[in-house]
Amino acid sequence: GQNIDQPTEMTATEGAIVQINCTYQTSGFNGLFWYQQHAGEAPTFLSYNVLDGLEEKGRFSSFLSRSKGYSYLLLKELQMKDSASYLCAVRDQWAGNNRKLIWGLGTSLAVNP
Amino acid sequence: EAQVTQNPRYLITVTGKKLTVTCSQNMNHEYMSWYRQDPGLGLRQIYYSMNVEVTDKGDVPEGYKVSRKEKRNFPLILESPSPNQTSLYFCASTRQGATDTQYFGPGTRLTVL
Repeated sequence: GQNIDQPTEMTATEGAIVQINCTYQTSGFNGLFWYQQHAGEAPTFLSYNVLDGLEEKGRFSSFLSRSKGYSYLLLKELQMKDSASYLCAVRDQWAGNNRKLIWGLGTSLAVNP
Repeated sequence: EAQVTQNPRYLITVTGKKLTVTCSQNMNHEYMSWYRQDPGLGLRQIYYSMNVEVTDKGDVPEGYKVSRKEKRNFPLILESPSPNQTSLYFCASTRQGATDTQYFGPGTRLTVL
């Protein structure tokens, strides 16, 4: 079956670093996405990985290991505004014409002062 | 400004009263989809559209209809809403390319009494 696992909740302190993990089991793989979603708002795109390794974008980095079915999102120099849900999503290459993503349930991150 | 718009943002209605949630994008994207988001269930795709006049079912299509008469618009129709369709709905538009980034509308919070 198709499955994406991420921790439900995490807490961190302002200025610190936090790593949010995502493991996936899908019939195919054609890219992994991270989205940020503030409460009551729409998800917004953060990062995309299709090859193994680390992609860095400012304070945010995302890592992928296809052999392990594993990714993480690294947030540095945490700010209060980073308090949000972080969604991991995988595009299954066998989805045919449907550019459907398989979504995790999200990790709710609380950043405390 | 590139964006996806949805209307209405909030709607309270009664069982059986037909309603339409509009979605429009100004990015000339071919691929659009509708999701619902429920606590503990995450984002689930309702319908998607590859292009004008091309639509297909997602994971949870029962009780919904869509149409795609123009590239920019992708309305979601609930012919006879029921309380189990109370949810947060998102329209998304996808820029097709290497990353297939999805751009989400602001969401429509629907309550069916």
